[in-house]
Amino acid sequence: AQSVTQPDIHITVSEGASLELRCNYSYGATPYLFWYVQSPGQGLQLLLKYFSGDTLVQGIKGFEAEFKRSQSSFNLRKPSVHWSDAAEYFCAVGEGFQKLVFGTGTRLLVSP
Amino acid sequence: NAGVTQTPKFQVLKTGQSMTLQCAQDMNHEYMSWYRQDPGMGLRLIHYSVGAGITDQGEVPNGYNVSRSTTEDFPLRLLSAAPSQTSVYFCASSRPSNPIQYFGAGTRLSVL
Repeated sequence: AQSVTQPDIHITVSEGASLELRCNYSYGATPYLFWYVQSPGQGLQLLLKYFSGDTLVQGIKGFEAEFKRSQSSFNLRKPSVHWSDAAEYFCAVGEGFQKLVFGTGTRLLVSP
Repeated sequence: NAGVTQTPKFQVLKTGQSMTLQCAQDMNHEYMSWYRQDPGMGLRLIHYSVGAGITDQGEVPNGYNVSRSTTEDFPLRLLSAAPSQTSVYFCASSRPSNPIQYFGAGTRLSVL
């Protein structure tokens, strides 16, 4: 069965500093990969996705992620973090077209 | 654009009570899913449906029932609520041709 690992439960970043959130997956074929963001008390918003093609994908709010097949990774990056980026971030792999397997999430704290 | 609508937003139940969490989508999506979110565990799939009249179990189906009589609606039933079902529940929908899932705002359920 597919699995997703987000090794960092919490990360604190200074405002204006760069960010990288780690995600590793286990999947036999080329996966569909996603990053979602959840603000406190809110639903999930799709940041970006990878289906195929260019391994560096751009998303909303200035985020990007790079698919590395050799490392089974799909890390999320942002060059300069804003206080409004404080939220919980979830990496997910698509199991077919109808199911997602999520990681346990990484909570991002932004310090002034 | 309503998207995926979940009702109620909040609910408190006593152990043993029953209730139905409602989910409706207006995007004509054939696929619909229910997830539960618990601290430190990410989102886990409860049940999913690939079309009217077709449902299947996910990772954590025990204690929940579903049915899908129309494309638009996918209710989740708790027949006898238990404290272990205290969680935030998310409904999602997607198309067969596209693995992007669209999420509702969630239902926060407490079982006392």
